[in-house]
Amino acid sequence: GAGVSQSPRYKVAKRGQDVALRCDPISGHVSLFWYQQALGQGPEFLTYFQNEAQLDKSGLPSDRFFAERPEGSVSTLKIQRTQQEDSAVYLCASSVDRVSGPQHFGDGTRLSIL
Amino acid sequence: GQQVMQIPQYQHVQEGEDFTTYCNSSTTLSNIQWYKQRPGGHPVFLIQLVKSGEVKKQKRLTFQFGEAKKNSSLHITATQTTDVGTYFCAGFLSGGGSQGNLIFGKGTKLSVKP
Repeated sequence: GAGVSQSPRYKVAKRGQDVALRCDPISGHVSLFWYQQALGQGPEFLTYFQNEAQLDKSGLPSDRFFAERPEGSVSTLKIQRTQQEDSAVYLCASSVDRVSGPQHFGDGTRLSIL
Repeated sequence: GQQVMQIPQYQHVQEGEDFTTYCNSSTTLSNIQWYKQRPGGHPVFLIQLVKSGEVKKQKRLTFQFGEAKKNSSLHITATQTTDVGTYFCAGFLSGGGSQGNLIFGKGTKLSVKP
């Protein structure tokens, strides 16, 4: 596609429910990143994939957060047993190759936990 | 916590005035990137600086990377209403252990009064 696509755009869940957020990167982009952005803050790094390999997951806040990219394209970020502090915008970004290159962001998924 | 500090947090200017935002890191950065996020939008890549003391220009925007590669600035000459948004700096730590960890500042929110 023309850009990074994320779905759903908005997600409301009750505390304790599991959620799955999808990211479809720009075709051919090797690197894929997930970020969490709280209101009024900058994006905070969660995890990074190079193709299907998850090379860095140092930003995942707890073991309730899990990300995968099984075929090196689409990625899913899963949050289990959601808590209110998980409410944020989750941004996905992709870049052509190098981890340190320019990143192209999707519109994000706004997650609200009630 | 975040290791990239950005000031000011907010800046209100009259259209035609200049604007500068500053970014400081507690550790040496391998490179620094700048992004712009419009209200309700996603971060959009503006530029990347890699070399010590590097200066790059894009029309009315001037970007600088400090000699020690710990600070950077973005200067906009003669602001226009289209410049409204939040400007983020983001850096990769030099020799950092986390491969994909692009660290964002909290951003400077620019408003322009016509």
